[in-house]
Amino acid sequence: DSGVTQTPKHLITATGQRVTLRCSPRSGDLSVYWYQQSLDQGLQFLIQYYNGEERAKGNILERFSAQQFPDLHSELNLSSLELGDSALYFCASSPHRDRASYEQYFGPGTRLTVT
Amino acid sequence: AQKITQTQPGMFVQEKEAVTLDCTYDTSDPSYGLFWYKQPSSGEMIFLIYQGSYDQQNATEGRYSLNFQKARKSANLVISASQLGDSAMYFCAMRDRNSGNTPLVFGKGTRLSVIA
Repeated sequence: DSGVTQTPKHLITATGQRVTLRCSPRSGDLSVYWYQQSLDQGLQFLIQYYNGEERAKGNILERFSAQQFPDLHSELNLSSLELGDSALYFCASSPHRDRASYEQYFGPGTRLTVT
Repeated sequence: AQKITQTQPGMFVQEKEAVTLDCTYDTSDPSYGLFWYKQPSSGEMIFLIYQGSYDQQNATEGRYSLNFQKARKSANLVISASQLGDSAMYFCAMRDRNSGNTPLVFGKGTRLSVIA
């Protein structure tokens, strides 16, 4: 158990709908990262938050948005869903350290299926 | 931009044998960190091992070791005494070492199958 929690574990929805994925980082970790894992694109970084503020942006679509709340949990909002958005969405957290040696701790993921 | 290449889509190894999973990387940063993660069929991402670009010795963690060849920009994972439970996807990843809070860049992964 990494200490990172994600809900829900599975999500099935229809095209055009909107969903919210939730992540709670490990206790004390200020950074939260969202990644998307799909068969064709592999593991892609979407967005990072640090202590409530957006820190870095990756290959995140304009239909997707995220935020980190004062209690440090984060939510990833996916709207106008398309079949291609079906993927495993991971949240990861890491401590605030000025060293890259600290690994990111991954949650169990949310498997999104768009039908 | 950082890039990770894993050229082996799939590998087979006999139980109790050693196996090497290849990883090459590309970066213009002089300081970086390299990671290996394991993803079993259940889907979670499990951290295995870390190597810093300035580390003098190759990293080891139990049955896992990292064969780091900086000049060749390679960071191969060696798993000794393979077990059936090692069957999984393995991802090589890197990040800029100058800041600890940067995203990981992943390779496409290698699927390892351990045969009894």
